Amino acid sequence: EAGVAQSPRYKIIEKRQSVAFWCNPISGHATLYWYQQILGQGPKLLIQFQNNGVVDDSQLPKDRFSAERLKGVDSTLKIQPAKLEDSAVYLCASSARVGARTGELFFGEGSRLTVL
Amino acid sequence: KQEVTQIPAALSVPEGENLVLNCSFTDSAIYNLQWFRQDPGKGLTSLLLIQSSQREQTSGRLNASLDKSSGRSTLYIAASQPGDSATYLCALTTGANNLFFGTGTRLTVIP
Repeated sequence: EAGVAQSPRYKIIEKRQSVAFWCNPISGHATLYWYQQILGQGPKLLIQFQNNGVVDDSQLPKDRFSAERLKGVDSTLKIQPAKLEDSAVYLCASSARVGARTGELFFGEGSRLTVL
Repeated sequence: KQEVTQIPAALSVPEGENLVLNCSFTDSAIYNLQWFRQDPGKGLTSLLLIQSSQREQTSGRLNASLDKSSGRSTLYIAASQPGDSATYLCALTTGANNLFFGTGTRLTVIP
């Protein structure tokens, strides 16, 4: 079974530039998450999708971050314009639903962003 | 609001030792708890998932326990190896279907 795929693995940009990350979840997983992990900290949820609908985006900085999941499969996360404090690893995860609940989470390798 | 704490933040042990990693949470109304391993520069690898109705799960040299009444989960690693060196994170899903991560314990197993 293929895992969660993410690209690019690494990205270096200057502040005020834009960047986009892509995620392909495990086949059949209805729930997709984007997390931000700053060095030395645990992952912080940015947005959660159930199929192609947003379940939780309360911690997404909507003035600069956007995410979409067209057709309920792949997802993209965009940052525009980037700030220095956006330097982090952006992790995508997916899970199958177990009834109304979240099942086991599976993570991709992450996309490491450095903003100069 | 649910708070998840992992202490210590870092741990060094000699190879071959058995060790316990701790995860504490403030609200016992959880749906499941998951332990992950994260290697430097990598994503998170799922190790064990414990449902709220379970007391423990085992996989190879790993054993995870869950005590909701005391708000604790432990990850026991038997006969530690240098390859076990990584950061270990716990994450729990609440009854409201929100997911909370701990900040992790960085484990170093010294050959």
